[in-house]
Amino acid sequence: EVQLVESGGGFVQPGGSLRLSCAASGFTFSNYAMSWVRQAPGKGLEWVSSISGIGSTTKNADSVRGRFTISRDNTKNTLYLQINSLRAEDTAVYFCAKGDCTSTSCYEFDSWGQGSLVTVSS
Amino acid sequence: QSVLTQPPSASGTPGQRVTISCSGSSSNIGSDVVNWYQHLPGTAPKLLIYSNIQRPSGVPDRFSGSKSGTSASLAISGLQSEDEADYYCATWDDSLNGPVFGGGTKLTVL
Repeated sequence: EVQLVESGGGFVQPGGSLRLSCAASGFTFSNYAMSWVRQAPGKGLEWVSSISGIGSTTKNADSVRGRFTISRDNTKNTLYLQINSLRAEDTAVYFCAKGDCTSTSCYEFDSWGQGSLVTVSS
Repeated sequence: QSVLTQPPSASGTPGQRVTISCSGSSSNIGSDVVNWYQHLPGTAPKLLIYSNIQRPSGVPDRFSGSKSGTSASLAISGLQSEDEADYYCATWDDSLNGPVFGGGTKLTVL
């Protein structure tokens, strides 16, 4: 059974940084692209960032480009999202999601974690 | 504002059939497949329909998807109370070069 467990969320001041983690199990982690999708309070789902199975290719939404960095450690079956220069509008629940193939063009997210809340406020 | 347009809400009584629409353009729905997700707040979203019409194993056949041109629809027949959730369509957008989601539709079972 696929399991994705996010951690690392919390309360941060504007301009601060945070690193989210997503521990994966139940599948061959390196064979699949992984993504981060967020949901701001009262809003819908928004794709944030994706990384290929071997970690050689990444893709980011325009809203986070230059501030967010996605990475993975296939030896630890863990996905990361480094979030810098946080803004109030980055407040959201951040979900990690497994793609159905190995490239960053995967957009069929067949398994999701429960999410990690990031709150940006002074 | 989402690239894909969904009605913010939908409702039906138990046993009824409801449909949720998703409207896009030639750069997204018109050129790529559509997936649908079910999300109960506080839980992990769930893939409901992929490749326009396919159901992952375990998804009841009460759920069906369709696509025509630049629009897609999710139909739920034999509505049940446990279907009360938020539903999102999603696809790839060639102009944005990334996945895009609809704004979501909150389904209420009366």
